[in-house]
Amino acid sequence: QKEVEQDPGPLSVPEGAIVSLNCTYSNSAFQYFMWYRQYSRKGPELLMYTYSSGNKEDGRFTAQVDKSSKYISLFIRDSQPSDSATYLCAMEPSWGKLQFGAGTQVVVTP
Amino acid sequence: NAGVTQTPKFQVLKTGQSMTLQCAQDMNHEYMSWYRQDPGMGLRLIHYSVGAGITDQGEVPNGYNVSRSTTEDFPLRLLSAAPSQTSVYFCASSPSRGGYNEQFFGPGTRLTVL
Repeated sequence: QKEVEQDPGPLSVPEGAIVSLNCTYSNSAFQYFMWYRQYSRKGPELLMYTYSSGNKEDGRFTAQVDKSSKYISLFIRDSQPSDSATYLCAMEPSWGKLQFGAGTQVVVTP
Repeated sequence: NAGVTQTPKFQVLKTGQSMTLQCAQDMNHEYMSWYRQDPGMGLRLIHYSVGAGITDQGEVPNGYNVSRSTTEDFPLRLLSAAPSQTSVYFCASSPSRGGYNEQFFGPGTRLTVL
């Protein structure tokens, strides 16, 4: 069983809708939780990171971590066609050794 | 700054051939790593380095070699390519440890092994 589980989608939403993404994990040693965005045929780029449980907001993006349930979420408000990408959750059990989810493909239709 | 650069962008190999994927960064980062990305699998860590002269294995190291002679460069060598190594390869770098440090990814190398 993989340590990080993520539904690969695709997830199709109309422009302006809220996009909800999530990952579950099994390793309680994870401390940092990241969301990366990857456009087609590009490298991943960091979107947000959080440390321990709680919420973090950055513009239209909100990341949530619930360590008691081993569950993390990313919400995108007022979604735009430019948000169409693959979103990967990642976790870091030790320095630099990221463990990624499979990635969820998001399509925002005008 | 160019960030993390990778060459080549695309490569086709025949089974048994060898090749080196190049990775360079100009941010003076201590930490560098190689990942492979396969459909439905996310990115998986192949090898990593915490500084010049220091390397270690990640989750899927078999069939790959690395070395780190300088801070800037971290090449990945395939000694005898196999079809199972068909993948997209990403190099990443990160500053020294201490709290959270973002990993910066290169644009990737698409490798096909026939």
